Amino acid sequence: AQSVTQLDSQVPVFEEAPVELRCNYSSSVSVYLFWYVQYPNQGLQLLLKYLSGSTLVKGINGFEAEFNKSQTSFHLRKPSVHISDTAEYFCAVILLSGGYNKLIFGAGTRLAVHP
Amino acid sequence: DVKVTQSSRYLVKRTGEKVFLECVQDMDHENMFWYRQDPGLGLRLIYFSYDVKMKEKGDIPEGYSVSREKKERFSLILESASTNQTSMYLCASSFRDRGFYFGPGTRLTVT
Repeated sequence: AQSVTQLDSQVPVFEEAPVELRCNYSSSVSVYLFWYVQYPNQGLQLLLKYLSGSTLVKGINGFEAEFNKSQTSFHLRKPSVHISDTAEYFCAVILLSGGYNKLIFGAGTRLAVHP
Repeated sequence: DVKVTQSSRYLVKRTGEKVFLECVQDMDHENMFWYRQDPGLGLRLIYFSYDVKMKEKGDIPEGYSVSREKKERFSLILESASTNQTSMYLCASSFRDRGFYFGPGTRLTVT
């Protein structure tokens, strides 16, 4: 069963425009939530994570995400994007089920920032 | 900074060959993972290990095996490589669940 759904496979946007990358998860247990970024020909880099506490999480490079438990969402936002934000973004979740905790990924969203 | 290194960035192998992908982490992390990344599918977990000599199957273990003889090293083995194993392979390590650190990846092509 798919635990993480990224609703958009590709998001084109103009430079300096705001962007939202959507992520929904399915779980009956508590979760930890993550966003990773992969720049072309590079490995994965952690953008931000939600473990507990404030539902608004700020990450690197001006990104932030909000954990919404009722809607089981963890959307990523940036108020003004740059060309350098062009990359693939992955939402991921750890289901705190009491067993061995694994990081489960969504299919990814390719963000393309145009001048 | 945590460093996760993988033995090769690019690898080309023939069908039927035995392939070893090596991963080393330098932060004494207890957990290590192997994922494969394919377009439109994201990252899928192949195997993981939570301690030396311990291993657990992930979501797609068929055709793969792993070895963890030392805490810092986690090897992925393709017993008999096939063309459908052409992919990007990513290794990761973690300390508890607080952060997963990824290596740069190995792009494997099986011809």
